[in-house]
Order: sequence, then structure tokens, then C-alpha cells
Amino acid sequence: EVQLLESGGGLVQPGGSLRLSCAASGLSFSNYAMSWVRQAPGKGLELVSTNSGSGGGTYYADSVKGRFTMSRDNSKSTVYLEVNSLRAEDTAVYYCAKGGGDKYDSNGYYSGCLDSWGQGILVTVSS
Amino acid sequence: DIQMTQSPSTLSASVGDRVTITCRASQNINSWLAWYQQKPGKAPKVVIYKASSLERGVPSRFSGSGSGTEFTLTISSLQPDDFATYYCQQYNSYLYTFGQGTKLEIK
Repeated sequence: EVQLLESGGGLVQPGGSLRLSCAASGLSFSNYAMSWVRQAPGKGLELVSTNSGSGGGTYYADSVKGRFTMSRDNSKSTVYLEVNSLRAEDTAVYYCAKGGGDKYDSNGYYSGCLDSWGQGILVTVSS
Repeated sequence: DIQMTQSPSTLSASVGDRVTITCRASQNINSWLAWYQQKPGKAPKVVIYKASSLERGVPSRFSGSGSGTEFTLTISSLQPDDFATYYCQQYNSYLYTFGQGTKLEIK
């Protein structure tokens, strides 16, 4: 069974930084695209970033480009999200999610629907 | 970026009803469309992937259809556990985008 466990959230002041982590188990981690998706209080789902796999590209929503950096450590089966220059509008529950096996990208990485999700971690940006 | 437009935003229905939610993409996404169910305080859960494939363990009363730019999620006979918020999501490109959600409420 795939498990995704996020950590690193919390309360941070505007302009501050955090590093979110998502530890995965139960899968051949390096074969899968991984994503961060957030949900502001009472709002819908928004993709933050996707890393397509080992050596593949990383994609960002316009709203976080230049402030957030996604990375992965396949040896630890972990993805990270460095969040900098935080704003009040970044307040949200941040989920990591795994790409499904229903689609392969050109490099052979599983890049399908988001078929497994972590429990989410709350990031609150407030003074 | 591909925009996803979902309707309605709220749907009131009764147990046993048949309901349909619609999702429209701003450009062709082939069949790379998923539907998620989310309950309050919980992570989303995929119910339909590749437009019409039923995720393992999801009841057969859920079905999806469509391709290109027009998609639907149908629940054939609503059960109490189905009242939740549903989102569509395109994964034709890595810049995934979600619809704004449909809250399915008990009438």
C-alpha cells in the first residue's frame, strides 16, 4: 500500500520560509511523477508544482513561480517543497500526491491521475 | 494553461437520485481527465481516471464519459456516502488544472 506522509508545515510570518517534506513508502519511488497540490481554507484545489521524475522537469503554477522550489531525493523516497517569500494567500493545506500508472510520459515515468495523496499539512502565513 | 470549467457549483439531490456533473476543458485534453471526491477535512480520492475508467474499489454507480473538451461524471443512484465535493482535473500536460468543484448536497 502506498503511503505519503507530509511534514514541515506550521505558522510563519509574511516573507518567511518553510521546507515541506513528503516521505513515500510502498512504491518504486523514482518511477513516479510527484506533485504538490494546495487548498486554501474553503476553496478548491490548486496544483502548486509537479516533478516528472528522476532527471525530468519540474513545473510550477504561475502563482508560486520564483518563490517555491520542488525537489526530490530518490534515495530517501522523499519530495520537498521549499516555500519562500510567503504571502497571506499561500495559507493552505498542502498535499503531496503521486502520479498514477494510467499514463507514461516520454521518459517512461508514471504521470497519470493523482491516485495517492498524503493527509495534508497546514501552512499558515500570518503576522 | 488549460482552464477547466465545472458545473454546477452546487447540486442538491436526494438519496436514490441520478446526478450528472459536467466539466469542460479550454482545449483538447484527449481522455486525460480524472474526477476526485473530497469530504471535509480529508484528502481528495480519485473515483474516475482517463475519463471513463473506474478506480479500483469505487462503486459501479459512478461512471465517467467524454473526450476532447467535454466530460461528465454520473452517479446513477446516490447513496448517503456520496455527498461530498467533486473536482475534475486534466493531466494532459504537467501543468495540471482542476475545475472549481461541485458540492453535492442532500436535498
